[in-house]
Amino acid sequence: TQLLEQSPQFLSIQEGENLTVYCNSSSVFSSLQWYRQEPGEGPVLLVTVVTGGEVKKLKRLTFQFGDARKDSSLHITAAQPGDTGLYLCAGGSSSASKIIFGSGTRLSIRP
Amino acid sequence: DAGVIQSPRHEVTEMGQEVTLRCKPISGHNSLFWYRQTMMRGLELLIYFNNNVPIDDSGMPEDRFSAKMPNASFSTLKIQPSEPRDSAVYFCASSPSLTGELFFGEGSRLTVL
Repeated sequence: TQLLEQSPQFLSIQEGENLTVYCNSSSVFSSLQWYRQEPGEGPVLLVTVVTGGEVKKLKRLTFQFGDARKDSSLHITAAQPGDTGLYLCAGGSSSASKIIFGSGTRLSIRP
Repeated sequence: DAGVIQSPRHEVTEMGQEVTLRCKPISGHNSLFWYRQTMMRGLELLIYFNNNVPIDDSGMPEDRFSAKMPNASFSTLKIQPSEPRDSAVYFCASSPSLTGELFFGEGSRLTVL
């Protein structure tokens, strides 16, 4: 069974600080997606990474896919209250033909 | 374009009652997924379809759960009989492919008393 573990589970930081969220697995994934979910809504895709070692930037968010395609990280620079939400990584496996989600990191940014 | 549409948004029912959740995927998407989200277990994949055919239902918790996709624009998830432990938010998502971007509906919050 493929599992994705995220850490930390909860994170509360001050506005302006930097943070990193991790997504780890013992399995290799063909692609890794990051979603953000706000209360009362479904998750919304932020980015997809497909190549080992790939780095993608989305404004203040930087996503990295591990060289072995088993792990990923999300780094947020100068966090803002609008970044508050549940961040989910999701792995796509061509062998299993489905996407599975990590346990999530609940992020709270204090003004 | 309309996104994934789910109904009802909220349902409160009593234990033993039948519950039917509905989903209309984005037109043109070939894959449809049903997820369940709780604080304890996170987002769990229940079942998914490709071209209206169920591909993997190994995530369906037990025989009380069933899902159908009679055509490309409609799917249902049924729980009969419902139990309090089924209380959760149920999400439907569609995608152009099995491992592509998932587009989620707003979810159906189910409370079983």
